[in-house]
Amino acid sequence: GAGVSQSPSNKVTEKGKDVELRCDPISGHTALYWYRQSLGQGLEFLIYFQGNSAPDKSGLPSDRFSAERTGGSVSTLTIQRTQQEDSAVYLCASGGQGGIEQYFGPGTRLTVT
Amino acid sequence: KNEVEQSPQNLTAQEGEFITINCSYSVGISALHWLQQHPGGGIVSLFMLSSGKKKHGRLIATINIQEKHSSLHITASHPRDSAVYICAVLGGNQFYFGTGTSLTVIP
Repeated sequence: GAGVSQSPSNKVTEKGKDVELRCDPISGHTALYWYRQSLGQGLEFLIYFQGNSAPDKSGLPSDRFSAERTGGSVSTLTIQRTQQEDSAVYLCASGGQGGIEQYFGPGTRLTVT
Repeated sequence: KNEVEQSPQNLTAQEGEFITINCSYSVGISALHWLQQHPGGGIVSLFMLSSGKKKHGRLIATINIQEKHSSLHITASHPRDSAVYICAVLGGNQFYFGTGTSLTVIP
């Protein structure tokens, strides 16, 4: 069956521009996570959705980052006024109720020039 | 302070060797994952554990909840096992990640 998909796979943007990253979770999965992995760094938790609500936004690095999820399915991660330090691979994962099992998407590689 | 510590950071092994990667954590957890990240960047979840031991092919994962410790073992290692192995724990609504163990298996 279809796994988690993310788009775009690669995004190059100029510093100061806004970007929107999309995650399509596995159908029926209620839990959705966003992570990022900067070059040479480990995985960093950003935000967790259970359904459409985000009980834990503690990982968002600044108020330039926001995420939403509508219809309990697709999620978008928006980065406003991008900075070079935002360059990373942004990963999405989905899971069933409770989000204990995780299935990762292929990631979006963001490069801010 | 890292909530999840992995060791070793880097590991080189000869094909056929038995490999162990260790993970210790300091938070209360509901589950622990072992993830595999290949050089292309894709991440695969190998195991999810909340107690005991699981086996899949040449891979074995164990967890000791009282000691807050987990191990990932690879038997009869093969060059295709070369990857970064990441320990991740679910504490509350948040995942905490180890920094990964980079494994290289030499033919």
